[in-house]
Amino acid sequence: NAGVTQTPKFRVLKTGQSMTLLCAQDMNHEYMYWYRQDPGMGLRLIHYSVGEGTTAKGEVPDGYNVSRLKKQNFLLGLESAAPSQTSVYFCASSYSRDSSQETQYFGPGTRLLVL
Amino acid sequence: AQSVTQLGSHVSVSEGALVLLRCNYSSSVPPYLFWYVQYPNQGLQLLLKYTSAATLVKGINGFEAEFKKSETSFHLTKPSAHMSDAAEYFCAVSSTGYSTLTFGKGTMLLVSP
Repeated sequence: NAGVTQTPKFRVLKTGQSMTLLCAQDMNHEYMYWYRQDPGMGLRLIHYSVGEGTTAKGEVPDGYNVSRLKKQNFLLGLESAAPSQTSVYFCASSYSRDSSQETQYFGPGTRLLVL
Repeated sequence: AQSVTQLGSHVSVSEGALVLLRCNYSSSVPPYLFWYVQYPNQGLQLLLKYTSAATLVKGINGFEAEFKKSETSFHLTKPSAHMSDAAEYFCAVSSTGYSTLTFGKGTMLLVSP
């Protein structure tokens, strides 16, 4: 049981390049989330998904797109990377909507540097 | 709207000393409150959570937190710090039955011998 995994672990991009971050979970969770973590800012929610084929915007969605074609995978895309998107990206998943019952499980993170 | 404020971006303690990490919340509805820990180069893991049952919540690794509605606080404590407790700690809030979390900015705990 691998839990939540993220690919890649680290990536360097040039401004304007595109890339996709992959999150996979093997816990049959309905809910999946993408956060970014910046020094002194905590974690901020980018997008989330409440089930296969559905996505919703979080607190900081601009410049990102997501897709949830399969229940176990949640992809985060950067169409034209900007230096402001240099960050550590975390994926998380949970079984249900009710945060009183379910914990969010986090992946190990992807460090992205945009030059 | 919901938010959390963590007082102090860095807290330094000596090994064996009391750990106190402060968190105050703002929520228009009864909140669920969480403490997560992040060790270097790792993801976040749940330490403990308050979900309207007991106001004193015990978590892993000897940590506990007390929900105080009158003070809108959910401070994290541990009686005796270990070197292995050095990490970044995040307080988070969620609304009843709602799955997205709002995180605080984090507090880095430094433990010296």
